[in-house]
Amino acid sequence: GIQVEQSPPDLILQEGANSTLRCNFSDSVNNLQWFHQNPWGQLINLFYIPSGTKQNGRLSATTVATERYSLLYISSSQTTDSGVYFCAANFGNEKLTFGTGTRLTIIP
Amino acid sequence: DAGVTQSPTHLIKTRGQHVTLRCSPISGHKSVSWYQQVLGQGPQFIFQYYEKEERGRGNFPDRFSARQFPNYSSELNVNALLLGDSALYLCASSRARTEAFFGQGTRLTVV
Repeated sequence: GIQVEQSPPDLILQEGANSTLRCNFSDSVNNLQWFHQNPWGQLINLFYIPSGTKQNGRLSATTVATERYSLLYISSSQTTDSGVYFCAANFGNEKLTFGTGTRLTIIP
Repeated sequence: DAGVTQSPTHLIKTRGQHVTLRCSPISGHKSVSWYQQVLGQGPQFIFQYYEKEERGRGNFPDRFSARQFPNYSSELNVNALLLGDSALYLCASSRARTEAFFGQGTRLTVV
């Protein structure tokens, strides 16, 4: 079946370090989104990126649709970046299929 | 502009009871979707409605139902609650097949 896989599952970094989170998907996507889930559970939109590259401050994302993966880059990590990061893909139907998430912990 | 709003934020119910969760989409968004997130997992799709019609249904039992109203708000109903229904329920709104925006969720605890 259609799958979205994220790696690594857990990542612990010192403040100031850079990180790369990966999302692999098993089929062609209509859209792909990256979210940060805050401690209260809300999903915060980071990027809507079915293809190409986007940047927003210290964060950037790249989706290579032909090779079925997307990357989220976080530079100069801050403690407020801690949390769970999800990618979610829409494969042409009406739902988003989420990955299992990457739990990022930034140590001061 | 207001984002997606969900109510209530927290809820405790007893096994066997019924629950109704509510969602108001972003103004101008006609699509509303519901997701269930259990601890340690990613959200799982339950339902999607567009223009008051069901457009998608996930792999959930018939105890789960939903509807969308003329103002595009939506309700998720769960009958005969089980302990395993304890989860964070998330509502998302979007224009048709574009970027989805999520509410803060309703945390349901079944005891």
